[in-house]
Amino acid sequence: QVQLVQSGAEVKKPGASVKVSCKASGYSFTTYGISWVRQAPGQGLEWMGWIIPYNDNTNYAQKFQGRITMTTDTSTTTVYMELRSLRSDDTAMYYCARGTHRSFDPWGQGTLVTVSS
Amino acid sequence: EIVLTQSPGTLSLSPGERATLSCRASQSVAATYLGWYQHKPGQAPRLLIDATFSRATGIPDRFSGSGSGTDFTLTISRLEPEDFAVYYCQQYGSSPITFGQGTRLEIK
Repeated sequence: QVQLVQSGAEVKKPGASVKVSCKASGYSFTTYGISWVRQAPGQGLEWMGWIIPYNDNTNYAQKFQGRITMTTDTSTTTVYMELRSLRSDDTAMYYCARGTHRSFDPWGQGTLVTVSS
Repeated sequence: EIVLTQSPGTLSLSPGERATLSCRASQSVAATYLGWYQHKPGQAPRLLIDATFSRATGIPDRFSGSGSGTDFTLTISRLEPEDFAVYYCQQYGSSPITFGQGTRLEIK
């Protein structure tokens, strides 16, 4: 079945970087883009950007421009999202999901990133 | 940026009742690009409705979507205990992709 499995929880200090992975299985990896969405505590869902594994095209939300990078490794069917210069308000659950200009389905299980000194 | 406004913020109903959730867009959204998700604590969001009307795989037929232009609706015909959750609408036709702020459906 189609599945996205994310890496484990991370604790980072302010100013550090985090890199979260999302391993895809059960479908043709290069056929679908992957989006990243986060949810801060008590808040709603926030789209961060997407990447197309076929050609590595990316589209980042303006809010994250300059400190986010999404990459792919087709040999392991894995997508990575790196967020730099972390702040306390980056503390959130981070999800990957299959989809760009289509509905997001399925979603990964989520990765909790905590930013704390 | 297309802003999606969901109403009500919280909906208190009993099992067996009908739920009607609204999503209003700040500008027109093509029906192809509007979806609905269910989100429960400790779980990943789950796609319910794709392209305004189409139920995702495995979604019960008590869930239905409708709407056009700037006004969209998710209807749950008869609430089951497992339906109490937060629901989000999303538009994915225009960048940036945006979500509504969510409607919390709680047991009355």
